Amino acid sequence: DSGVTQTPKHLITATGQRVTLRCSPRSGDLSVYWYQQSLDQGLQFLIQYYNGEERAKGNILERFSAQQFPDLHSELNLSSLELGDSALYFCASSPHHANTGELFFGEGSRLTVL
Amino acid sequence: DQQVKQNSPSLSVQEGRISILNCDYTNSMFDYFLWYKKYPAEGPTFLISISSIKDKNEDGRFTVFLNKSAKHLSLHIVPSQPGDSAVYFCAATNSNSGYALNFGKGTSLLVTP
Repeated sequence: DSGVTQTPKHLITATGQRVTLRCSPRSGDLSVYWYQQSLDQGLQFLIQYYNGEERAKGNILERFSAQQFPDLHSELNLSSLELGDSALYFCASSPHHANTGELFFGEGSRLTVL
Repeated sequence: DQQVKQNSPSLSVQEGRISILNCDYTNSMFDYFLWYKKYPAEGPTFLISISSIKDKNEDGRFTVFLNKSAKHLSLHIVPSQPGDSAVYFCAATNSNSGYALNFGKGTSLLVTP
């Protein structure tokens, strides 16, 4: 158990809809990262938040947005969903003082868009 | 643009033998490299890492080698055990990027008895 909690574990929705994925980081971790893993793809970095502020941005679509709240949990919002958005979405966290690059991953939220 | 590449999607090794997983990267700004292991229905878990100032790091049965001039790293597992069967992801980062990791597509390792 990494200590990172993601909900929901599975989600099935239709094209055009909007969903929200939630992540609670490990206790004490200030950084939250979101990754997308599509079929036959590696983990693609989407976005990072540190203590409530956006720190780095990767290949995140404009239809996607995220935020980190004062209690440090984070939400990833996916809107106008397309079939290609079906993927496993991972959240990871790390301590602010880490200089090792080690991230702790949750079990992921599997999104299926029909 | 895939900056971290794992060109072998799968690898099969006999128990007790050495497993060698390879990884190439293109971004010379990467200064920290990690290997993650992933079992089905679980998130990736950290295995071992290496800083760009080193060329080798060892942790028990796992050793990572870094060849900066070739932009290549490899993970050696000796001896391989059936419980090592998993997908292994190579990742790289630049410490100035907030440690956002760039991952390869993974290599599925199967260790057979």
